[in-house]
Parts: sequence; structure tokens; C-alpha cells
Amino acid sequence: NAGVTQTPKFQVLKTGQSMTLQCAQDMNHEYMSWYRQDPGMGLRLIHYSVGAGITDQGEVPNGYNVSRSTTEDFPLRLLSAAPSQTSVYFCASSYDPPAGAQETQYFGPGTRLLVL
Amino acid sequence: DQQVKQNSPSLSVQEGRISILNCDYTNSMFDYFLWYKKYPAEGPTFLISISSIKDKNEDGRFTVFLNKSAKHLSLHIVPSQPGDSAVYFCAARRSYNTDKLIFGTGTRLQVFP
Repeated sequence: NAGVTQTPKFQVLKTGQSMTLQCAQDMNHEYMSWYRQDPGMGLRLIHYSVGAGITDQGEVPNGYNVSRSTTEDFPLRLLSAAPSQTSVYFCASSYDPPAGAQETQYFGPGTRLLVL
Repeated sequence: DQQVKQNSPSLSVQEGRISILNCDYTNSMFDYFLWYKKYPAEGPTFLISISSIKDKNEDGRFTVFLNKSAKHLSLHIVPSQPGDSAVYFCAARRSYNTDKLIFGTGTRLQVFP
């Protein structure tokens, strides 16, 4: 299993450009999420999905769109990039563990985005 | 409003000694708590978790303690090893929100020889 994969690893954008951050998982997990990590802020939830066709907003959804057409993929779209979206973006997938098992949320390696 | 707080941005501990990382939360609806470890240029990896029905959970060198009345949890690492040097994030959620984690700001642990 490749786990959670993210592309690209690094991207530079100009203000106003749009782009899509890709995320895929091969573990057949129901849940997928996008977080951003900023200095002094920890990880903040942008959008999440509880299954194909179902998405919802997290703490900081403004400026981002998501869709979940398949179980495996959960792309994050920046509609019009702004310098405030300079961050490291992490995609994660998770599942409902069996009773008594410690649950885990698996994270991808991250995409570092710089908006000029 | 930061619902999960890690007030110590960094901690330095000698190899072999105990590392204690602290976390406080404000939302009394949280009933499941997790610790993640993160190395530079990698995604966070799960370390250990605890449900609110327990006050302690152990996994090898790692133990998490939960004090619900104080809304406080701590991660103990004994003995600390140089490979434990990383950023540690505390996270919390409600039981039915399997996917919605609220993270603290992280504590950078450095274990020196």
C-alpha cells in the first residue's frame, strides 16, 4: 500500500492563480480530510469528507473547494490564490476502527505552497 | 478561540530521562484525544490515543494521562531517546466525528545525548 499520497510536493503560485492539490489513498478509508499547517497555529481543518459524494466544511474553508467523486481521491482546489494561503497542506484519511482498537488518521507527506 | 492548547512550544530533555508534554482543552464535548508525532518534511504520524472513559493509556515507552476535571492531558515518554526528537501535536474530537480533529499548536521536543 502506498498509503496517502499528495502531489505536488511544492508549488509556487502568483496571487489570483488557481490550482488543485491532489490527494489519493489506497486503503479504502471512508473519511478524508484536508488540513493546513501554519507556524504557531498547529493543523487546522479546511474541508472533510465522510464518503464519496459527501463533503463538509472545517474550521477554515474560505477560498477552498473540494469534491469526492471516488473513495480514493479528494482534491483540494484553490480558486484564486492569495498570499494568506501560503502554508503546508496535509491530506489525511481515516476509518472507524473495530471496538477497542486505537484509531488512527493517516497523513500524507504534505504539499508546501507559496503564494507570491 | 484555540480549543486545544499546548502552552510549551519547546522542550529539551536528556536521553534516558522522562519527557512530559502537556495539553489543555476547553471544549467539554471532546471525548477522544490523540497524540501525533511529526518529523520535518513529513506528515504527522499517530502515536497514542485515549478515550474519556479512561484516565491512562500505555503503549511501550509512551503513556497518556487524562484529567477530565482539569481538561488536561499529558504524554509521558520514558526513557526518552534521540529519535524521539520531533514536534508533538495533541488533538481532540467528539466520538462521532471520526474525521474532525482539532489540533494544538505543537511542542518541539529535543532529546540530547
